[in-house]
Amino acid sequence: KAGVTQTPRYLIKTRGQQVTLSCSPISGHRSVSWYQQTPGQGLQFLFEYFSETQRNKGNFPGRFSGRQFSNSRSEMNVSTLELGDSALYLCASSPHNQGPHYGYTFGSGTRLTVV
Amino acid sequence: TQLLEQSPQFLSIQEGENLTVYCNSSSVFSSLQWYRQEPGEGPVLLVTVVTGGEVKKLKRLTFQFGDARKDSSLHITAAQPGDTGLYLCAGETSGSRLTFGEGTQLTVNP
Repeated sequence: KAGVTQTPRYLIKTRGQQVTLSCSPISGHRSVSWYQQTPGQGLQFLFEYFSETQRNKGNFPGRFSGRQFSNSRSEMNVSTLELGDSALYLCASSPHNQGPHYGYTFGSGTRLTVV
Repeated sequence: TQLLEQSPQFLSIQEGENLTVYCNSSSVFSSLQWYRQEPGEGPVLLVTVVTGGEVKKLKRLTFQFGDARKDSSLHITAAQPGDTGLYLCAGETSGSRLTFGEGTQLTVNP
């Protein structure tokens, strides 16, 4: 059974550019969440989707957006990149309507470096 | 802001020793999870606890959820080098989100 797949694994972008990250959850999982991990802040919640609907959003600026497709695949977009956006972006999926209640399966992440 | 305080932040021990990691909050959580993360990879779920006072054992790892569902602990017996990694606790709050602790970096020396 394939795990959560995130692409690309590594990305280098220049300040001001935009980026799109992709996440394919485990087959059958309809809840997908995104987290940002940095050395200073740890893991911070970005947003959660279930059946193509964004159910919750963390405290990030509007430059961070996401969406979920009918096949449960999800993308997140960051526009007008800043140096502080450099982080490991993690996608997590769950088969449950309750989202993280029984635990998440995380992907390996996309390491974004903004220069 | 709901915070999860995790301690200790760093732990370096010898193979065979026992250790306990603590996770504390003033908030009540619907569930609490422990993950282990290795460099360059995403966190891997170890356990989920949902009932106050619940104790779960996973081989040499014992997890406990506080009666009030505000705190948790992870105890490892006879640690092995393969236990080395970043241990994260995460509490489920309203709105289908997890609040993570800062993590405990465990190093087990042979």
